[in-house]
Amino acid sequence: GEEVAQTPKHLVRGEGQKAKLYCAPIKGHSYVFWYQQVLKNEFKFLISFQNENVFDETGMPKERFSAKCLPNSPCSLEIQATKLEDSAVYFCASSQSRQNSPLHFGNGTRLTVT
Amino acid sequence: DQQVKQNSPSLSVQEGRISILNCDYTNSMFDYFLWYKKYPAEGPTFLISISSIKDKNEDGRFTVFLNKSAKHLSLHIVPSQPGDSAVYFCAASANNQGGKLIFGQGTELSVKP
Repeated sequence: GEEVAQTPKHLVRGEGQKAKLYCAPIKGHSYVFWYQQVLKNEFKFLISFQNENVFDETGMPKERFSAKCLPNSPCSLEIQATKLEDSAVYFCASSQSRQNSPLHFGNGTRLTVT
Repeated sequence: DQQVKQNSPSLSVQEGRISILNCDYTNSMFDYFLWYKKYPAEGPTFLISISSIKDKNEDGRFTVFLNKSAKHLSLHIVPSQPGDSAVYFCAASANNQGGKLIFGQGTELSVKP
């Protein structure tokens, strides 16, 4: 598609439950990025992929967070045993190339952990 | 360690006048800079970018200026329109960081009719 599609728009989970978020990048874009926006205006990088391969996972809290981009499937971000501080908007973005190429963002998934 | 800083949380401008949004960075390895616009409940929308080999890039009403020696960039919007009211983020990336963007904290622009 011509837009990055993220589902669901909203997700509510009780503390300790699992949350799974999905992202379909723009067709033809090889690079996918996940960002977390906790406070209103702060974007924290989580992980990036080149096709199905993890490119950079330096921002991932590895003990509970995992992500995948498999061929012919939406990319996913999974949080095991959610905590209250995981409440945030999670944005996915895609780009055509790794250098000097803008990221195109989806509209995000708002995760609320209660 | 805030590598990209937008020191003005908000800016109010009259319709038709110029809006100037500022951004400072600390990492001298950054070589690609972007501005995004964000409305509530939507993702950031790409506006304009500039490579470190240039000092100015223009696209319609939007111009980005880069001053590498001062590690400073700015976005000029002329003339400002009420529809420009949004949060503006500057972002930067380094060639050796795989396209990962580092964002500033955003500046909320309000354009009054």
